Amino acid sequence: QQQVKQSPQSLIVQKGGISIINCAYENTAFDYFPWYQQFPGKGPALLIAIRPDVSEKKEGRFTISFNKSAKQFSLHIMDSQPGDSATYFCAARVGNFNKFYFGSGTKLNVKP
Amino acid sequence: NAGVTQTPKFRILKIGQSMTLQCTQDMNHNYMYWYRQDPGMGLKLIYYSVGAGITDKGEVPNGYNVSRSTTEDFPLRLELAAPSQTSVYFCATSGVAGELFFGEGSRLTVL
Repeated sequence: QQQVKQSPQSLIVQKGGISIINCAYENTAFDYFPWYQQFPGKGPALLIAIRPDVSEKKEGRFTISFNKSAKQFSLHIMDSQPGDSATYFCAARVGNFNKFYFGSGTKLNVKP
Repeated sequence: NAGVTQTPKFRILKIGQSMTLQCTQDMNHNYMYWYRQDPGMGLKLIYYSVGAGITDKGEVPNGYNVSRSTTEDFPLRLELAAPSQTSVYFCATSGVAGELFFGEGSRLTVL
């Protein structure tokens, strides 16, 4: 079964708008929650990450919100730009094995 | 500093053929991984390794084999290729900080 569930599958946002991608998990052994950004023809690259003892982390226009009790976390992209158009993956790590499980991905299209 | 290097970038196989996808890293990371990426399915872990000589299965190991004789290299072997193995394969490494570093991928088509 899918260890990390991600939605939506695709997202269209106007330039300057807010993009929101959501993920949910069940495994309480997860101890690290990164988001990866992937451009066509490239491997995923780390965008931002959070640990479960923090409810929010912000880096520039990118923010992770984390709700430990609900086992949910989300990525918010403020002031979305056409250059943000990419596929975004949430992930979760089982710390003692350093094993990462990925969501199914969200293809973001920011229209100019 | 190349990071994670995968070869080949593209390959077409016939059903039943075998091949090895190569992965080399120069980051001196202990952890290495093989993922496959299928449209709408995200990245699925095939095999991973916590160091030279130690490997373990991930979510979708059937039809694949790995070995890890050195810190740098983590080849993925496909035996008796099947159309279901048509995918994009990514090798990745991770250090103690937990960040995954990916190669640029190997696109495999089995016909």
